[in-house]
Amino acid sequence: KAGVTQTPRYLIKTRGQQVTLSCSPISGHRSVSWYQQTPGQGLQFLFEYFSETQRNKGNFPGRFSGRQFSNSRSEMNVSTLELGDSALYLCASTRDISYEQYFGPGTRLTVT
Amino acid sequence: TQLLEQSPQFLSIQEGENLTVYCNSSSVFSSLQWYRQEPGEGPVLLVTVVTGGEVKKLKRLTFQFGDARKDSSLHITAAQPGDTGLYLCAGARAAGNKLTFGGGTRVLVKP
Repeated sequence: KAGVTQTPRYLIKTRGQQVTLSCSPISGHRSVSWYQQTPGQGLQFLFEYFSETQRNKGNFPGRFSGRQFSNSRSEMNVSTLELGDSALYLCASTRDISYEQYFGPGTRLTVT
Repeated sequence: TQLLEQSPQFLSIQEGENLTVYCNSSSVFSSLQWYRQEPGEGPVLLVTVVTGGEVKKLKRLTFQFGDARKDSSLHITAAQPGDTGLYLCAGARAAGNKLTFGGGTRVLVKP
């Protein structure tokens, strides 16, 4: 079974721009969660989507948004990028009701 | 403030030595998971513990969930260089709920 895939793997953007990251979950997994990982703050939860609906949300500003499609693929968008948005963005998928999350390799975003 | 506190933050040991990583909280979790993350990659799930007092063994790794389900530990016996990585604990209040991660313990096993 293929794992979680994320595209692109690396991205360099300029302050003020916007960015869209993509995540394809493991086949059969309907829940997708997004996390931001930085050296200073560690892994922080952004939001979770289940069956195209946002089910949980972390404490991030409205510049961070996401969506999920009917095939469970998910995208997250960050508008008006700031230098502090530079991070590894991780996506994880889960079966319907399960504790166990399976992570993708992440997208490394650098904002200059 | 981290809801899950991991200690130590960094551990450097020689190959063959044992090590223990701790994960503590004042909150009760329905489950606790341990992940290992290598540079440039996403975390890889090692184990999930759900019952207070539960002990799980995975080859040289032993995981324990506290009786009150507020803390957990990871013990590695006879560490090898391949055990090097960032170890993360994560707790969930209920199945399907978001995970809260600890700050991580960076382990370096020198040959």
